[in-house]
Amino acid sequence: EIVLTQSPATLSLSPGERATLSCRASQSVSSYLAWYQQKPGQAPRLLIYDASNRATGIPARFSGSGSGTDFTLTISSLEPEDFAVYYCQQRTNWPPTFGGGTRVEI
Amino acid sequence: QVQLQESGPGLVKPSETLSLTCTVSGGSISSYYWSWIRQPPGKGLEWIGYIYYSGSTNYNPSLESRVTISVDTSKNQFSLKLTSVTAADTAVYYCARGLNNDAYTNDFWGQGTLVTVSS
Repeated sequence: EIVLTQSPATLSLSPGERATLSCRASQSVSSYLAWYQQKPGQAPRLLIYDASNRATGIPARFSGSGSGTDFTLTISSLEPEDFAVYYCQQRTNWPPTFGGGTRVEI
Repeated sequence: QVQLQESGPGLVKPSETLSLTCTVSGGSISSYYWSWIRQPPGKGLEWIGYIYYSGSTNYNPSLESRVTISVDTSKNQFSLKLTSVTAADTAVYYCARGLNNDAYTNDFWGQGTLVTVSS
């Protein structure tokens, strides 16, 4: 099973600042990595798939990069609604696995 | 806009079977993959398994001996059964749709339903 390690566990930032979240895989996942956002009491929301493709309706301030074992989710300028938990997920090997999450807090 | 809604008992006794149904509205269940994913309170996400509309399935090896996912295309529904539950199966259970022809990336999710395993 591929283990995804996200860092940092918590990111404390202010609205308007840039957020950089990291996801590292225990073995190569090629570009088969997605990012989800989850707010309290809500289901995860797909942001990025296949490392760098924005899902439908996702604002351009969200971008993803990386391949192999190291990936980054960047939020260029935080909006108040962006404070949430972010998960990465790989689909290279079965079963798909998720990282432990990064909380972006004010 | 596709919508998914989970339904089923919120409380299940230990050793019994957890049964949930996901009803899909606003679109057809055909030509997509459909998954169950769970999240214990305060913890991360775990994939349970998926089913293609044609009926083919794939389950997480950690749960495979206890899981069955089925589909009813006439009702636009798919279902989850998890047998011999314990407190460790207490979680919010989500149903979700695969993006395009991808079983593993999910673009539409249900709101989730909390299932508690307790006597």
